[in-house]
Parts: sequence; C-alpha cells; structure tokens
Amino acid sequence: NAGVTQTPKFRILKIGQSMTLQCTQDMNHNYMYWYRQDPGMGLKLIYYSVGAGITDKGEVPNGYNVSRSTTEDFPLRLELAAPSQTSVYFCASSYSGQGTSDTQYFGPGTRLTVL
Amino acid sequence: KQEVTQIPAALSVPEGENLVLNCSFTDSAIYNLQWFRQDPGKGLTSLLLIQSSQREQTSGRLNASLDKSSGRSTLYIAASQPGDSATYLCAVSGGGRDDKIIFGKGTRLHILP
Repeated sequence: NAGVTQTPKFRILKIGQSMTLQCTQDMNHNYMYWYRQDPGMGLKLIYYSVGAGITDKGEVPNGYNVSRSTTEDFPLRLELAAPSQTSVYFCASSYSGQGTSDTQYFGPGTRLTVL
Repeated sequence: KQEVTQIPAALSVPEGENLVLNCSFTDSAIYNLQWFRQDPGKGLTSLLLIQSSQREQTSGRLNASLDKSSGRSTLYIAASQPGDSATYLCAVSGGGRDDKIIFGKGTRLHILP
C-alpha cells in the first residue's frame, strides 16, 4: 500500500513551458485535492475532485487545469508556466469529504521552479 | 471569508518541557479542525482531528482542544522531545457542502536537546 504518490519530486521549467504533475492513490479514496505551499505560508487549495469525472475549483485555480478520469489518478496541468507558480505542490486524498471525521493523506510533494 | 492564524510563527523550547501551540479562526461555522505535522521537505501527516461537536482529542503526548464559540484551538505537547521538532499546521473545514479546507501558516517548533 503506497498511499499517495507524486511525480516528479523536483522540476525546473522555463517561462511559458507546460507540464503535468502526476498524483496517484491506491487507497480507493473518492476525494482528491491539489494544494500549493509557498515559503512560510500555509497550503492553498488549487482544485479538488469528489469522484471520477467530477472536479471543482479551489481557492487559487488560475493557471492550472485538472482531470479525474479514474479514481486513482488526479493529474495537475500547468499550461503556460509563470514565475508566480514556483511553489511546492501537494496532492492529497480522503475517503469522504472534509465535513466528516475523515482525514486527508498527503503525498511527498513536487518542488517546482519556474525561471 | 475564513481566516486561520497560528501564533507563534516559531518556537524553541528545551527538551522535556510541556508546550502549547495556538490556532484561531474567524468563522465559527466549521465542521472540524485538524492539526498536521510537516517535516522539512515532506508532506503533511494528520495528528488529530476534532469534530465541531467535540471539545478535545488526545493521542499519546498530544492533546488538542477546540472552543468553537471563541474560534480557538490549542495543541498541547507534553514532555517534548527533539523528534517533535517540525512545523505544525492547523486547518479548518467549513460546514454544509463546502469541501474546502483552510490552513494556517504553521508554527515552526524546535526542541533543544
């Protein structure tokens, strides 16, 4: 049972490049989330999904896109990378939504730098 | 808009001392509150989750309390150890259909051997 896995661990992009951050969970969780964490700050929700085929915007969705074609995978796409997207990105999953006693399980993060 | 504040931003205490970390939130209409631990370069690990109907939760040397009416939570760590050094994040979840969770900026804790 690997939990939540994220790839890559590190990436450097040039301004205007595109990339996809991968996230996979093997716990059969319905809910999945993408957060970004800037230095010295808390986590901010980018997008989330309550199940396969369903996604919704979080607090800071601009510049990102997501898809959820399977229960296990929730990739995050950056289309035109900007320096403001330099951050650490965390994927998380939970069986139920946040209004329950269910906790979220986090991946190890992807550290992205845009130059 | 819900805002979560954690004070202090950083804390250093000698090993063996008991300590308290504070968290406050502006909107008391929450479903639950969680305390997470984050080690440098790592993801988050959930420590304790308190439902809005609960007053506290305990796990080992950790005790978290919730006073929803005043918008406050505390995380009490007993007999601190160097291995407790990490950043501790507080997060609240709104009620109803709101599946969004709001995080504080964290308290960076350093236990001095």
